[in-house]
Amino acid sequence: GENVEQHPSTLSVQEGDSAVIKCTYSDSASNYFPWYKQELGKRPQLIIDIRSNVGEKKDQRIAVTLNKTAKHFSLHITETQPEDSAVYFCAAYPLQGAQKLVFGQGTRLTINP
Amino acid sequence: ETGVTQTPRHLVMGMTNKKSLKCEQHLGHNAMYWYKQSAKKPLELMFVYSLEERVENNSVPSRFSPECPNSSHLFLHLHTLQPEDSALYLCASSQSHRSNSPLHFGNGTRLTVT
Repeated sequence: GENVEQHPSTLSVQEGDSAVIKCTYSDSASNYFPWYKQELGKRPQLIIDIRSNVGEKKDQRIAVTLNKTAKHFSLHITETQPEDSAVYFCAAYPLQGAQKLVFGQGTRLTINP
Repeated sequence: ETGVTQTPRHLVMGMTNKKSLKCEQHLGHNAMYWYKQSAKKPLELMFVYSLEERVENNSVPSRFSPECPNSSHLFLHLHTLQPEDSALYLCASSQSHRSNSPLHFGNGTRLTVT
């Protein structure tokens, strides 16, 4: 089945700098890759997603890139702000097998003022 | 309004108690899910329902018993739990359990088993 590895587990950056979180997946048939943000004490919320027919997608300060050959995808946050502090989860949706989202372990991002 | 509402927000129960978690979605979705979130672990899928029919049971112990009376409501009945079952239990919904559609989560129930 699908396996998703996420790195790093914790990340600390200065306000205004960029943050990058990387995920790798094992099932080459996976075709949907969402990213969820979970602030402390709150529910996970979808912030951006990408499908396998696209290499990059941007939404204001966040972007996701996908490398199907290498089977990895990354979340990029530019001009980081204190409200970006949260736990971020990547996930992959395999077309075969159980067809359910498989999540990474999460990255705790801290923005230092 | 999150679209997915869970009650209670916090629950403390003894190992011999019986309690239920409730989830309601107002998004018109056809699929509902229970996830378990423990510290330093990925989100663990427990159950999936599609149009009130269970389509996934992820080797969850029988002390967790789901119920889906209609496409808008989902329950998780708990009995004789263990301390290691303490976690955040998240309900989610999506348009379809088969399509790669986004999940909408509730705020979760923080469960503590004493």
